[in-house]
Amino acid sequence: KAGVTQTPRYLIKTRGQQVTLSCSPISGHRSVSWYQQTPGQGLQFLFEYFSETQRNKGNFPGRFSGRQFSNSRSEMNVSTLELGDSALYLCASSVTGLAGTDTQYFGPGTRLTVL
Amino acid sequence: AQSVAQPEDQVNVAEGNPLTVKCTYSVSGNPYLFWYVQYPNRGLQFLLKYITGDNLVKGSYGFEAEFNKSQTSFHLKKPSALVSDSALYFCAVGFATSGTYKYIFGTGTRLKVLA
Repeated sequence: KAGVTQTPRYLIKTRGQQVTLSCSPISGHRSVSWYQQTPGQGLQFLFEYFSETQRNKGNFPGRFSGRQFSNSRSEMNVSTLELGDSALYLCASSVTGLAGTDTQYFGPGTRLTVL
Repeated sequence: AQSVAQPEDQVNVAEGNPLTVKCTYSVSGNPYLFWYVQYPNRGLQFLLKYITGDNLVKGSYGFEAEFNKSQTSFHLKKPSALVSDSALYFCAVGFATSGTYKYIFGTGTRLKVLA
């Protein structure tokens, strides 16, 4: 069974640009959640999608958005990039979601560098 | 304000000894509680979570955690530590607010198991 895949693995952008990151969950998983990890702010929850609907959202500005497709693949978009958006972006998938009882599986992450 | 705390930046334990990594939280309502582990160069992994039910939760790699409502704690434990358990451990709490759930992470505890 293939694991969670994230593309691209590395990305370099400049301030003001926008970026789209992709997450392909394990087959059969309907929940995808996104996280940001930085040395300064640590781990932060971005949002959770379940069956194409945003279920929960963290405290991030509107520049951060996401969506989920009918095949459960998810994308997150960051517009008007700032230096502080440089981070490792992680996604995780599960069958029932964060409020369910099953295991989350994480992807390897996308490392975004904003210059 | 809702918060989660991991009071120890680092925990050292001898191989074979029991280990405890502490987590306390301050949220209103009934929380969801999580433990994650991050090994060097291996990404983030889910260990266990408490949603409801039995206060003692068993997870991956022989870890367990006990939800203690009166002490607002969710300490991670293992009866016999292995050198391979050395990693960075994160506690997280989910709480209901304004019709949605938010999730916040502790700052992490570095566990070092000494041979």
